[in-house]
Amino acid sequence: GENVEQHPSTLSVQEGDSAVIKCTYSDSASNYFPWYKQELGKRPQLIIDIRSNVGEKKDQRIAVTLNKTAKHFSLHITETQPEDSAVYFCAASLPPGYSSASKIIFGSGTRLSIRP
Amino acid sequence: NAGVTQTPKFQVLKTGQSMTLQCAQDMNHEYMSWYRQDPGMGLRLIHYSVGAGITDQGEVPNGYNVSRSTTEDFPLRLLSAAPSQTSVYFCASRASYRDTFQLISGNTIYFGEGSWLTVV
Repeated sequence: GENVEQHPSTLSVQEGDSAVIKCTYSDSASNYFPWYKQELGKRPQLIIDIRSNVGEKKDQRIAVTLNKTAKHFSLHITETQPEDSAVYFCAASLPPGYSSASKIIFGSGTRLSIRP
Repeated sequence: NAGVTQTPKFQVLKTGQSMTLQCAQDMNHEYMSWYRQDPGMGLRLIHYSVGAGITDQGEVPNGYNVSRSTTEDFPLRLLSAAPSQTSVYFCASRASYRDTFQLISGNTIYFGEGSWLTVV
């Protein structure tokens, strides 16, 4: 089955600097890669996602890049702000037609801290 | 829409007791799932369902049962609670995977608020 590895597990950056979180996946057939943000004591919420037919996607200060050949994808946050402090999860899922297509498998998470 | 609603929010169990975590969604989503979240372990899939009457195992199914008698409800049962099941549990739903890749929004998985379970 699909396996998703996420690095680093913790990340501390100065406010205003950029943060990068990286994930790798095992099943080359996976074609949907969402990123979730979880604030302390709250539920995970989708912040951005990307499909395998796209190499990069941006939404204001957040961007995600995908390298299908290397089977890895990354989250980039620019001009970090205190409210970016949270745990971030990457995930991957297979396309329809696979028996486990509906499953979304998550990485282990990255705790991002923004230093003032 | 209330979204995904799960109860209870907090529960303390004694080892060996059984209980059911309730989950309901009002978005007519066919896909529902249960995850557990432990420190440093991320979100691990316990069981999932792609429609009423259909369930399947995820990454960590042992010690848990599920059923899906209606589209709206997907309860998670702990048959004989163990301290290793102390965790935060999240129920989640998603639009039908059959048309997930025709609609970008259909990929989004919506989580409930979580249930904090402690087994002593």
